[in-house]
Amino acid sequence: AQTVTQSQPEMSVQEAETVTLSCTYDTSESDYYLFWYKQPPSRQMILVIRQEAYKQQNATENRFSVNFQKAAKSFSLKISDSQLGDAAMYFCAYNRGSSNTGKLIFGQGTTLQVKP
Amino acid sequence: DVKVTQSSRYLVKRTGEKVFLECVQDMDHENMFWYRQDPGLGLRLIYFSYDVKMKEKGDIPEGYSVSREKKERFSLILESASTNQTSMYLCASSSPGTATELSNQPQHFGDGTRLSIL
Repeated sequence: AQTVTQSQPEMSVQEAETVTLSCTYDTSESDYYLFWYKQPPSRQMILVIRQEAYKQQNATENRFSVNFQKAAKSFSLKISDSQLGDAAMYFCAYNRGSSNTGKLIFGQGTTLQVKP
Repeated sequence: DVKVTQSSRYLVKRTGEKVFLECVQDMDHENMFWYRQDPGLGLRLIYFSYDVKMKEKGDIPEGYSVSREKKERFSLILESASTNQTSMYLCASSSPGTATELSNQPQHFGDGTRLSIL
């Protein structure tokens, strides 16, 4: 069975600095998708960024980028120029490429604190 | 923007009660999901539905059931609430497509219902 592990329960970063959140996963599939979701204190979860496993190029969305290491089964999220609004819980998630239902497997979450 | 609305933000119920959590989405999504979120465990899938009246068990279905009579509404039912069902419950929906497209579709979440069973 596939699993997703986030080993950092809490992280903190100074405003305007860069922080990296770690995620590892375990799968025997070769085709899959990876996601980072953000859950602010208001609690509505939103998608931050996604990566297709067949793409070697790391995904980037403005200040958010990933470091996808397929062989190592690692999918870290880098937040550049951190802002106070980035404070949230971040979840890494996995979906099989052959899924016909869109089911996601989530990691345990990392709470990010941004210090002014 | 997709809107997923959960009927209650906070709910307090007693042990043994039958509890209904309601979720409505406004984007005609085929897929709908119920998760529970617990500290240190992340989100765990309880049930999902890929069409009206179609449902499948997720990873932790015990003690729960679901109902999807209309496409926009997906209800989670706690048949006889117990204290270990105290948790945050999140509903989500996603759009349909081919198998590959489905895997890549983001899920849109509601605000969550914090349920306390006393």
